[in-house]
Amino acid sequence: DAGVIQSPRHEVTEMGQEVTLRCKPISGHNSLFWYRQTMMRGLELLIYFNNNVPIDDSGMPEDRFSAKMPNASFSTLKIQPSEPRDSAVYFCAFLTGSGNTIYFGEGSWLTVV
Amino acid sequence: GENVEQHPSTLSVQEGDSAVIKCTYSDSASNYFPWYKQELGKGPQLIIDIRSNVGEKKDQRIAVTLNKTAKHFSLHITETQPEDSAVYFCAASGWGGADGLTFGKGTHLIIQP
Repeated sequence: DAGVIQSPRHEVTEMGQEVTLRCKPISGHNSLFWYRQTMMRGLELLIYFNNNVPIDDSGMPEDRFSAKMPNASFSTLKIQPSEPRDSAVYFCAFLTGSGNTIYFGEGSWLTVV
Repeated sequence: GENVEQHPSTLSVQEGDSAVIKCTYSDSASNYFPWYKQELGKGPQLIIDIRSNVGEKKDQRIAVTLNKTAKHFSLHITETQPEDSAVYFCAASGWGGADGLTFGKGTHLIIQP
């Protein structure tokens, strides 16, 4: 987890507001993943990128969700407009080239009221 | 798509005893099976993984076994200690993880002193 910096760590926002979550992975990764964790649904893959290109976004729940990776060192997950059911922990993870293992960040805890 | 089932959802063992967590998967093409440990307020941390070309892997007190024919794999923790208390997740993936991981719902392991 030391290889991924996520921000904000905690956010409380009102329904209808735009939320932007950020992820800075260490350099040298091949793929980057966004996961969502809730008590009801567990850990769900939302989208992943390979070499900064979105490969599979079938896990994105609705059009309100979007993700970008403008360069190898930065990715964002945006929710617009946010709803209370979006409340969850959002994790960024990356796949290293050596050993092919996936490492997670510490997560962004989102509460939409 | 892949479906991973994990049991039990909660496991309580006496300190010093062994703990076993079991998972089954549905996609016979899956070839990578990691286990993650998640402590409160933190992201999932990889503790051990196994690939389909081996049947067992051990790292100190932790071992994982894989039965590809039956499509199930298990985590074994021996000589449990209080710091082993956490939520453990199994996962499965094809392509060595490059297409993301499908997670089980997690096992809350409680080590009783």
